[in-house]
Amino acid sequence: GDSVTQTEGPVTVSESESLIINCTYSATSIAYPNLFWYVRYPGEGLQLLLKVITAGQKGSSRGFEATYNKETTSFHLQKASVQESDSAVYYCAPASSGSWQLIFGSGTQLTVMP
Amino acid sequence: EAAVTQSPRNKVTVTGGNVTLSCRQTNSHNYMYWYRQDTGHGLRLIHYSYGAGNLQIGDVPDGYKATRTTQEDFFLLLELASPSQTSLYFCASSPGLASQNTLYFGAGTRLSVL
Repeated sequence: GDSVTQTEGPVTVSESESLIINCTYSATSIAYPNLFWYVRYPGEGLQLLLKVITAGQKGSSRGFEATYNKETTSFHLQKASVQESDSAVYYCAPASSGSWQLIFGSGTQLTVMP
Repeated sequence: EAAVTQSPRNKVTVTGGNVTLSCRQTNSHNYMYWYRQDTGHGLRLIHYSYGAGNLQIGDVPDGYKATRTTQEDFFLLLELASPSQTSLYFCASSPGLASQNTLYFGAGTRLSVL
């Protein structure tokens, strides 16, 4: 079946450092997936961070970016300079084309130190 | 103002106990979902609904019932709670299919079954 693997946390970085959270996706059959990153801040529910639903599109929001790499089936989340307020749990959630469901990764706990 | 509200936020019960988790959304969304999240796993879909009176089975439905009484309200019922149901539960809503639309989540209910 379809599966998603993302960077295992916890991940700790210092403020202003760069960040990459890896996400790879394997599916039994896809043309091009819809791809989402969700984020959960402390004490809150998950919220959409960014999405890509068009082939080759780059998703971006709040300084974060992600682009789907068809060759490696990866959708890594990147930020050039993190802030303490980025401390949260990040979830990769692809959906194979033709499927209505999202497949959530296990989440990556990020702590940004001041 | 939170558009998806879950209650209670925390619940402790004993094995064999009866638990109801509540979810209300004010987004006027058709779809509502119940997920559980356990350490090392992504969110897993328990039940979902696409309208009042409708109920669909998700990926991990065993031991759970659900009922959608109105457009706004979706309940998750554990009639004979077991320790394996100790988890963090999320409710979500969306205007259409999850793979095509943004999910809006509640803040979660942490359930402990002793």
